This record gives sequence, C-alpha cells and structure tokens, in this order.
Amino acid sequence: DTGVSQDPRHKITKRGQNVTFRCDPISEHNRLYWYRQTLGQGPEFLTYFQNEAQLEKSRLLSDRFSAERPKGSFSTLEIQRTEQGDSAMYLCASSPGTGGLIEQYFGPGTRLTVT
Amino acid sequence: AQRVTQPEKLLSVFKGAPVELKCNYSYSGSPELFWYVQYSRQRLQLLLRHISRESIKGFTADLNKGETSFHLKKPFAQEEDSAMYYCALSSTGTASKLTFGTGTRLQVTL
Repeated sequence: DTGVSQDPRHKITKRGQNVTFRCDPISEHNRLYWYRQTLGQGPEFLTYFQNEAQLEKSRLLSDRFSAERPKGSFSTLEIQRTEQGDSAMYLCASSPGTGGLIEQYFGPGTRLTVT
Repeated sequence: AQRVTQPEKLLSVFKGAPVELKCNYSYSGSPELFWYVQYSRQRLQLLLRHISRESIKGFTADLNKGETSFHLKKPFAQEEDSAMYYCALSSTGTASKLTFGTGTRLQVTL
C-alpha cells in the first residue's frame, strides 16, 4: 500500500497521559497536514508542514499539542496531559506541494479515546 | 473567516432518484471548492473539485458565486453512492489547508 499510513489506528489512554501518533505520507509528498475530527463534525485543520518546516498552526492546537516532521518525511503528533476533550479521530494527509491547489491524500486516521 | 455549511446530516433517496447534496460557503476572497467522500470503512478521498469542472462517478458540482453554493448533484442515484460526503473549501495562498463542512450522509435505498 503506497498511500498515507498512520500508526496506531486506535489508542485508548487515561486522562493525563501523553500519547504520540505517527504519520507516513506518500513518498516524495512535500506537504503534510494534520486534522482532527470529532463525532458529527467534519475534519478540522490543526497544522501543516512544508518539508520539515511547520508553517501554520491552528488555534485548536493548544500548547499541549506538538507536531514534528524532523526529516521532511514522516511526522509525529504528540498530545501531553491528555484530556477527555481530546478524544477524536486524528487524520493525516499529504500532497505533492507544488502549486497552490493540490489534492490531499488522507490516511486512515488514529482514533484516540481518553478515559 | 471561512465557513462551509452542509444543512442536511442525512439524505435518503431511492435508487434511480436524483440526488442533490447542498453546500454553502462563506469566504471573502476567491475560494476553491471540493467534494470529499468517505465510503464505509474507507478513508476520506477526493471526489471532485470545482476548478476541474469534471464529472466523477456521475456526480457534478457547479460553483455559484452569487449564491455562494457548491451543491453536488447526480441524476440517478446508485446503491454504491451511499457514503458520507463532505464539502470543503480552500483559500488561495494558504497552502491548500481545507475547511470542511459537517458532512451529509447519503443513503440510497432500493
């Protein structure tokens, strides 16, 4: 499968614990996006990388959230001191990144449940 | 601020009936509009984009700037069209980050 992959697919954690998710984009895609989707809502933009540079962060991304893409390939999203409100599906997407309006390819998502 | 509104959470139609999924947007500039679809147990995928003016799987969507709408239409619904449909907007100059609506579940019954 050469699509976007995410790991783990499901994560159950207790409130206050830290969690880290990984996203592997399609090879050679420069842009990588993180979205969050809660029940009954559409995906909401969290942050985006152009290669290894994090160029934009949403106000949804509190200081408990941090994302990295150290070598411009895979990315990690860490949530510290998780809260029940963090329970959601976390989606990663990638795109070739040349030009303005390039299709984003989505991964299967990581479903986080905070108990 | 940009916003996408999909007024219907669920749209149920009979096989062979016409389908129209509504999408309205608010954005002060010149947006680009997309329809994404998520079939059962599959990932979100692009269905069509307004700039391409294409028909995919029999679906079309026309951008109406006067009414700020981008409704998705298909003349004859098929069972395999049953899925979750999301309208999304991307503003130029923002590296294509997407603003999604809340989605409409299309249910095609026999």
